[in-house]
Amino acid sequence: KAGVTQTPRYLIKTRGQQVTLSCSPISGHRSVSWYQQTPGQGLQFLFEYFSETQRNKGNFPGRFSGRQFSNSRSEMNVSTLELGDSALYLCASSKTGQSSSYEQYFGPGTRLTVT
Amino acid sequence: AQRVTQPEKLLSVFKGAPVELKCNYSYSGSPELFWYVQYSRQRLQLLLRHISRESIKGFTADLNKGETSFHLKKPFAQEEDSAMYYCALSAQGQAGTALIFGKGTTLSVSS
Repeated sequence: KAGVTQTPRYLIKTRGQQVTLSCSPISGHRSVSWYQQTPGQGLQFLFEYFSETQRNKGNFPGRFSGRQFSNSRSEMNVSTLELGDSALYLCASSKTGQSSSYEQYFGPGTRLTVT
Repeated sequence: AQRVTQPEKLLSVFKGAPVELKCNYSYSGSPELFWYVQYSRQRLQLLLRHISRESIKGFTADLNKGETSFHLKKPFAQEEDSAMYYCALSAQGQAGTALIFGKGTTLSVSS
């Protein structure tokens, strides 16, 4: 079956702009999580959505937001971009998001560069 | 605070040598621990999880609650094991979960 897809794969934005990233989970997966990966901080959890509701949120400022649609596709938005937002943004999906069956399948990521 | 520590950024071994990738965690509840692997030009993928008590590609990991460790081991390394390895902890929130990752260890296996 098709894996997790993320669009776009690469993005260059200017400070102060906003950006929207998209993630399509594996068919049948209802949980979508987002992570930010940087060389300095590694992989950091942003938020998780399940059935169109944000279930869990990491320690990121309010400029980072997301949503999930009824088909489980998810978007994340970053407003007022800062240079430090340059990172690889990974999306991961899982069937339920309950820890007992918690295998996450990762997408290839969107590389965001803020200039 | 929930934290995962992987003390080694890089681990270089020769083919056939034993491998141990260290992972220590800090978590007040009952943790679920995982090892994820990223091979060159591939996606991050699950290698194994403590709850399954399985051996994948010859790798095993035992949860030691007393030492708060979840080290990844393989008795004989292969060149194809060269990759980035991440230890991760599942932190139960009010509902749903989040993965807390360590910063990763690059394993380099040479012949």
